[in-house]
Amino acid sequence: GQNIDQPTEMTATEGAIVQINCTYQTSGFNGLFWYQQHAGEAPTFLSYNVLDGLEEKGRFSSFLSRSKGYSYLLLKELQMKDSASYLCAVRDLNDYKLSFGAGTTVTVRA
Amino acid sequence: ETGVTQTPRHLVMGMTNKKSLKCEQHLGHNAMYWYKQSAKKPLELMFVYNFKEQTENNSVPSRFSPECPNSSHLFLHLHTLQPEDSALYLCASSLNLAGDFPYNEQFFGPGTRLTVL
Repeated sequence: GQNIDQPTEMTATEGAIVQINCTYQTSGFNGLFWYQQHAGEAPTFLSYNVLDGLEEKGRFSSFLSRSKGYSYLLLKELQMKDSASYLCAVRDLNDYKLSFGAGTTVTVRA
Repeated sequence: ETGVTQTPRHLVMGMTNKKSLKCEQHLGHNAMYWYKQSAKKPLELMFVYNFKEQTENNSVPSRFSPECPNSSHLFLHLHTLQPEDSALYLCASSLNLAGDFPYNEQFFGPGTRLTVL
């Protein structure tokens, strides 16, 4: 199984940068996902990391260190619409299942 | 729009009622999932279907009964629920189960907000 830990809440100002950390303990690792979930809506896929390093997608970047069991999601040039919950999920090496963290609620203020 | 729809979006039921949640995916995926999302808790995997066959029952009480008539549709039948079953129930689908593809990410529906009185 997996043990996924991420902060509960973060607040930042419009235009700023926020980094959401995720740590995990796993018996087998086969990739880490980040999802965004606006209130009352479906979680939507943001990024996937399976090798160490940084993956950049526009204003969003995700980093992975497998040796440290650590990932972060970096949100740059924050916009009001980025206010949402961000879910970290780890896929087990031995099966297909995703284990999710409880999510980090990001509030962007003007 | 993620290509996964769920109905109803909201449901209030008594403990003696019987109701069903419906999920439909328009993505041509072969795997479908039911998750429970409670406030401030991680998503809990409930059931997994692959090519209409159930491959996972994550110790879910029998008052939850899944049904998968084909790869595009998934149901969750509810009966004699408890107030602690109140939560957001999310359906998801993915191309396959195994991680043969680089991402094979899961696509989620918007969920059914269930309240058990």
